[in-house]
Amino acid sequence: DAGVTQSPTHLIKTRGQHVTLRCSPISGHKSVSWYQQVLGQGPQFIFQYYEKEERGRGNFPDRFSARQFPNYSSELNVNALLLGDSALYLCASSGTNYGYTFGSGTRLTVV
Amino acid sequence: DAKTTQPPSMDCAEGRAANLPCNHSTISGNEYVYWYRQIHSQGPQYIIHGLKNNETNEMASLIITEDRKSSTLILPHATLRDTAVYYCIVRVTDKLIFGTGTRLQVFP
Repeated sequence: DAGVTQSPTHLIKTRGQHVTLRCSPISGHKSVSWYQQVLGQGPQFIFQYYEKEERGRGNFPDRFSARQFPNYSSELNVNALLLGDSALYLCASSGTNYGYTFGSGTRLTVV
Repeated sequence: DAKTTQPPSMDCAEGRAANLPCNHSTISGNEYVYWYRQIHSQGPQYIIHGLKNNETNEMASLIITEDRKSSTLILPHATLRDTAVYYCIVRVTDKLIFGTGTRLQVFP
């Protein structure tokens, strides 16, 4: 079975631009969460979606938004990119057994 | 804010048990403790989780104190491939609150 799939794996953007990151959860998992990991730190929670509804939001500005589609895949959007948005963005999916499976992440570099 | 405190780094000889401590003194009664590890900035890999009782699986054992204010992850026979950053995490509702982790170095 495929694990959590994230695309793209690497991305370089310019300050002020917009970016969309994508995540496909494990088949059968209805919950998707997004995390930001800045170099040298632990991942920080951004959003959680379950059955297409936002269930949780971390301490991130409104430039960050997300959505979940009927097939449970998800997109994370970041507007007006800042240098400080450079990070590894991780997606995690979960089913009913309280286990969270992470993807390999998207490495975003803002220049 | 992180709810866990871990030593920044530890060393362990190959073949020996690695015991990684974690303090979570502000944990609430219904909040689970999770352990994940991360190798070379790949996605975090699930190891084990628990609420009150000690847990064991094919990867590790989790020992939680009776007051739930601390826990220890035990890798019974560490190998070089266990070198990674280990995160002790408290799950608050449906979000994982990561700390700064312990960098475990396993040496030959």
